[in-house]
Amino acid sequence: DADVTQTPRNRITKTGKRIMLECSQTKGHDRMYWYRQDPGLGLQLIYYSFDVKDINKGEISDGYSVSRQAQAKFSLSLESAIPNQTALYFCATSGPRGTDTQYFGPGTRLTVL
Amino acid sequence: QKEVEQDPGPLSVPEGAIVSLNCTYSNSAFQYFMWYRQYSRKGPELLMYTYSSGNKEDGRFTAQVDKSSKYISLFIRDSQPSDSATYLCAMSAYNNDMRFGAGTRLTVKP
Repeated sequence: DADVTQTPRNRITKTGKRIMLECSQTKGHDRMYWYRQDPGLGLQLIYYSFDVKDINKGEISDGYSVSRQAQAKFSLSLESAIPNQTALYFCATSGPRGTDTQYFGPGTRLTVL
Repeated sequence: QKEVEQDPGPLSVPEGAIVSLNCTYSNSAFQYFMWYRQYSRKGPELLMYTYSSGNKEDGRFTAQVDKSSKYISLFIRDSQPSDSATYLCAMSAYNNDMRFGAGTRLTVKP
């Protein structure tokens, strides 16, 4: 079984809808991350969490919110989706240092019409 | 200016060629340098990890870091069609956020 799983893998929604993307990990890591990937822009950090009670904004947090329900679960929400949030979203986990290797999930392809 | 610059390609080479992938960066505090490989419809996976300047070799892959020039490279020898993927450089200062390059799409043709 995969160490980092994401659901759903694909989602098409309409402008203004609320969307939640979920991430679960079995690696026992405290740190979890949400990124979005756009062609030509690479991975941009949306939010990251060092533990259940420590959540931080990344480079592009506007329009997004997160919830760390447990050490193993980290959810990303789009409260009111807009078309420019159409992208590939990745969850990642890592060990306790910021320089530790990050392990990525398979991604969620989100399309906002 | 982005902190990390990477030519997105695409790059197409024949099987057996030596491939050179590069990134430049502006933040002199970066000390940890990584290369991730991302196959289509998959998440990135770590390929190489180096600390500070110097070379690191792993099989057909060699990572080079030149901190004085703020330039890192990944070389792939005897490239194979299975190496076709997007390669992302990433770097970090101690205990800080990791910054990724845009990724270079590589195709190795049989």
